[in-house]
Amino acid sequence: KNQVEQSPQSLIILEGKNCTLQCNYTVSPFSNLRWYKQDTGRGPVSLTIMTFSENTKSNGRYTATLDADTKQSSLHITASQLSDSASYICVVILDNDYKLSFGAGTTVTVRA
Amino acid sequence: NAGVTQTPKFQVLKTGQSMTLQCAQDMNHEYMSWYRQDPGMGLRLIHYSVGAGITDQGEVPNGYNVSRSTTEDFPLRLLSAAPSQTSVYFCASTRGLRETQYFGPGTRLLVL
Repeated sequence: KNQVEQSPQSLIILEGKNCTLQCNYTVSPFSNLRWYKQDTGRGPVSLTIMTFSENTKSNGRYTATLDADTKQSSLHITASQLSDSASYICVVILDNDYKLSFGAGTTVTVRA
Repeated sequence: NAGVTQTPKFQVLKTGQSMTLQCAQDMNHEYMSWYRQDPGMGLRLIHYSVGAGITDQGEVPNGYNVSRSTTEDFPLRLLSAAPSQTSVYFCASTRGLRETQYFGPGTRLLVL
């Protein structure tokens, strides 16, 4: 069973609208939680990295939140653009362990 | 900086053939790793290295070998290709466990 669950599996939004992606994890203790953006046919690119003591981290129109007590994270995309169409992957890194746990990703499609 | 480079971009093999996927990075990163990405699943770690001369197994190592003779290069060898190894393979590198991980563009492998 995957230790990192993402929802929804996919979503479609209109350009200019906001959306929120969810990530629930069971791995512990964890060192940090990351969100990656993966464009079709390309490798993942890091958006945010949060330690367990951080509640929020922003990168432009992307804002990630973390609740270490409930083991939940979210990624909020503000004023979506066509270029935001991609897969967004949640990754949890165990403390002192190189073996990352990847979620299956949420595919976001932004339509004009 | 070229970042992380991978060759080839696409490869078709017949069952039983062997081949080597190349990965190189020019950022002087100690940590390098190989992942495979299959539809509906998160990236899974095949092998990783924490420095030249040091390698270790990840989550799905069977059927793959790696070596790390230099800091820059981390090739992945398929010993005897099987259809189950049809996947997209990503190489990644990072300076440390809490640092950003950089991914290559991927190699698409089809085993017939």
